[in-house]
Amino acid sequence: DIQMTQSPSSMSVSLGDTVTITCRASQDVGIYVNWFQQKPGKSPRRMIYRATNLADGVPSRFSGSWSGSDYSLTINSLESEDVADYHCLQYDEYPLTFGSGTKLQIK
Amino acid sequence: QVQLQQSGAELVKPGSSVKISCKTSGYTFTTYDMHWMKQQPGNGLEWIGWISPGNGDTKYNQKFNGRATLTADKSSNTAYMQLSSLTSEDSAVYFCARVGRASGVLFDYWGQGVMVTVSS
Repeated sequence: DIQMTQSPSSMSVSLGDTVTITCRASQDVGIYVNWFQQKPGKSPRRMIYRATNLADGVPSRFSGSWSGSDYSLTINSLESEDVADYHCLQYDEYPLTFGSGTKLQIK
Repeated sequence: QVQLQQSGAELVKPGSSVKISCKTSGYTFTTYDMHWMKQQPGNGLEWIGWISPGNGDTKYNQKFNGRATLTADKSSNTAYMQLSSLTSEDSAVYFCARVGRASGVLFDYWGQGVMVTVSS
């Protein structure tokens, strides 16, 4: 199975910060990475698809990038509504596999 | 509007089975595959498998093979996941989420999740 090693597992952040979360794939997954936001007690929400594409309705302060086997989600000018858990997903190969998640907390 | 409405929370005994539903509306049921995910408290997400409601094709994560059974009822636009031989490790929230067969759009809509608690 493809491992998606996500870091950090948690971050203490301040409003207005730029935040970057990374997933490293254990083998080539190409562009087939999505990022999801999940708030407590809620379903995940798709934020980024195919590594770099912003999903409908997602604020432009969110962006996705990748280099080699490293995939990143960046949030510019963090707002309070962005405090949540974030998950990466590879869907290049079955079984689909998620990263272990990153919890953003306010300092 | 697209909706995936899942059934209610379940409290089940070890060794038993549970069957949860995902009733859809607002789109053509057979043009999207339905995937299922597991999320244990405080943990990440785990993919269980998918079903194509149009022809019944399925694919499972080997980790769940033999214990998870995915079905779909086209007459009611509802997908189901049954999990058998339950242990405490199966206590989790289970989500359904759709994937467009033609578009490949992945997980744009999710169900609200079902909490399954396995306890004697």
